[in-house]
Amino acid sequence: GAVVSQHPSWVICKSGTSVKIECRSLDFQATTMFWYRQFPKQSLMLMATSNEGSKATYEQGVEKDKFLINHASLTLSTLTVTSAHPEDSSFYICSASRGGSWTFGSGTRLTVV
Amino acid sequence: GESVGLHLPTLSVQEGDNSIINCAYSNSASDYFIWYKQESGKGPQFIIDIRSNMDKRQGQRVTVLLNKTVKHLSLQIAATQPGDSAVYFCAENMMAGYSTLTFGKGTMLLVSP
Repeated sequence: GAVVSQHPSWVICKSGTSVKIECRSLDFQATTMFWYRQFPKQSLMLMATSNEGSKATYEQGVEKDKFLINHASLTLSTLTVTSAHPEDSSFYICSASRGGSWTFGSGTRLTVV
Repeated sequence: GESVGLHLPTLSVQEGDNSIINCAYSNSASDYFIWYKQESGKGPQFIIDIRSNMDKRQGQRVTVLLNKTVKHLSLQIAATQPGDSAVYFCAENMMAGYSTLTFGKGTMLLVSP
């Protein structure tokens, strides 16, 4: 079946630094990749949608200059949290889509100290 | 019984009971629905899906019911097991040209032995 690898699974960084999270579709080419954010005991909130080779579409209220998305190929998307602050601490989840199906990564727990 | 926490409703059941988890979806134009299971610290895992031209679909130990009139989905889990303990989300999609999944609020299922 379709597998999406997300790395790292957890990261701790200092306030003001940047963190990059990778999302790879291992055995299929993803038409579209999505990035979600999830706070404790809450649902997944879509941050942005990205298609290979084009700029990401950000949801309302998500700062595109803070959450940089690069979708360089049909199998790789990256999310960079720039100048991270403690309020950016959250669980970030990617999803890869192809042909009306979605496969989720295992998530990245980001803690900003 | 069911209780509503700060953000996430919780359903507590005994092992062997049948569980029913409910979801109200938001968009009357949505025509494809998915139930996901999310264990702590992991990404969502596909359980079962249903298209809007159906009102019931069965899988292994799970059944999804769709009531489009009141925009309501339910997930029934038969003979609930401790391994079913997780957070369950419904997600909706409009298949015509849109690939975005919108997640419901989620329900935490706690199964005691």
